[in-house]
Amino acid sequence: EAGVTQFPSHSVIEKGQTVTLRCDPISGHDNLYWYRRVMGKEIKFLLHFVKESKQDESGMPNNRFLAERTGGTYSTLKVQPAELEDSGVYFCASSFTWDRGNSPLHFGNGTRLTVT
Amino acid sequence: AQSVTQLDSQVPVFEEAPVELRCNYSSSVSVYLFWYVQYPNQGLQLLLKYLSGSTLVKGINGFEAEFNKSQTSFHLRKPSVHISDTAEYFCAVSDAGYSTLTFGKGTMLLVSP
Repeated sequence: EAGVTQFPSHSVIEKGQTVTLRCDPISGHDNLYWYRRVMGKEIKFLLHFVKESKQDESGMPNNRFLAERTGGTYSTLKVQPAELEDSGVYFCASSFTWDRGNSPLHFGNGTRLTVT
Repeated sequence: AQSVTQLDSQVPVFEEAPVELRCNYSSSVSVYLFWYVQYPNQGLQLLLKYLSGSTLVKGINGFEAEFNKSQTSFHLRKPSVHISDTAEYFCAVSDAGYSTLTFGKGTMLLVSP
C-alpha cells in the first residue's frame, strides 16, 4: 500500500511568488489534513477535508492560503503571494475516519518551503 | 484550548542508556494522547497512543509511555536506547472523539556511541 505522498519535497521561492503544494493521500482515505511546522515551533493544524469538503479550516493563517481537494482525491495547497513567514515544513496526513481513537493519521514526508 | 508542552528541545544520551522524554498537556476534557517519531527526511510515524484503560501504554521499537491524569503528563520512556533511535519525538493530544491533533514543539533525541 502506497503511503501519503507529497510533492515537491523542497521548494525555494522568492517573496511575492506563488507556490502550490500537492498531497496524494492513501487510497480510500476520505479524511485529509494539512499541518505546518515553522522552524522551532509546534506542528500546527491548518485544515481538514472530508472527501472534497472542507470540514475545518480554522487553522488557515490568512487568505493567501487556498486549499482544494477536487474529486476527493489529491489535495493542493496554494500560497499566493508567499511571504517570508510562510517558510516551514508543510505536512499532509490522511486517515480512514476522523476518530483519532480508531483511525490513525498517516503522514507524508512533508514539503519544505523556503521563501527568500 | 489544548496545549502540549515538551520541556526538553534536545536530549543527548549514550547508547544503551535509559531515556525519558517529558510531555505535559492541558485540556479541560477527556483526551487521547499520542507520541509520534520523525526520522530524518521522513514523515511522522505513530509510536504509541493512549485512549483509555491501562495507564501504561507500550508502543513500537521498545518504547512505552505512562498516562498520569493528576499530573497531566504522558512521558515517553525506553530502558535502553540504540543509535537508530536518534530522531525527533512529538507528543500530541486530541479531544476524545475529535479529529484534530495539537502537537508539542518536539524533542530531539540524540543517541551517541
